[in-house]
Amino acid sequence: ETGVTQTPRHLVMGMTNKKSLKCEQHLGHNAMYWYKQSAKKPLELMFVYNFKEQTENNSVPSRFSPECPNSSHLFLHLHTLQPEDSALYLCASSQGQGNNEQFFGPGTRLTVL
Amino acid sequence: QQQVKQSPQSLIVQKGGISIINCAYENTAFDYFPWYQQFPGKGPALLIAIRPDVSEKKEGRFTISFNKSAKQFSLHIMDSQPGDSATYFCAASYNNAGNMLTFGGGTRLMVKP
Repeated sequence: ETGVTQTPRHLVMGMTNKKSLKCEQHLGHNAMYWYKQSAKKPLELMFVYNFKEQTENNSVPSRFSPECPNSSHLFLHLHTLQPEDSALYLCASSQGQGNNEQFFGPGTRLTVL
Repeated sequence: QQQVKQSPQSLIVQKGGISIINCAYENTAFDYFPWYQQFPGKGPALLIAIRPDVSEKKEGRFTISFNKSAKQFSLHIMDSQPGDSATYFCAASYNNAGNMLTFGGGTRLMVKP
């Protein structure tokens, strides 16, 4: 595997379900991100982790819970989501802080019924 | 409040023509302006980036023009090709914000053969 991988690629869940999205980066980076991409909104930054520490939570509802066990893996735990949470969830990584290129995964297409 | 405004939302260009996408920003602290390209089913990928110490940067057929006083920057795609058909996002960040990118709303470009 190379670059940034995300699983699953597609997920359909009910509002009462609990599911997790997984991201893995194979680039040796130490910063990882979660973004939400909706049809009618710009890419929205959700969470930032630097060296496994969460450095940014962009006012994301608590029904989204991130976890970063090490610099290569990032999870997004989902519970009691709403239909408006349906979107493409993108993971990205970069080498440290500062204005460095962010490498994106292909995303998980989430549908909440 | 959207800090980076992108236009147009969609653009159709004939093969060989010039594609122009514009972005305007509000935060004068921004000092890094990347453009990302996204194909269907893929995550965004960095195309070209500029810092405000130069007014133009060119990489192959892609050029960023930057106007600091007007707080605007644009992407020009010369000799547009059908393979350039994708969604383009401008973004901005500032060094004190570490690695937090603010994205524009995106432009869907179609290059007709």
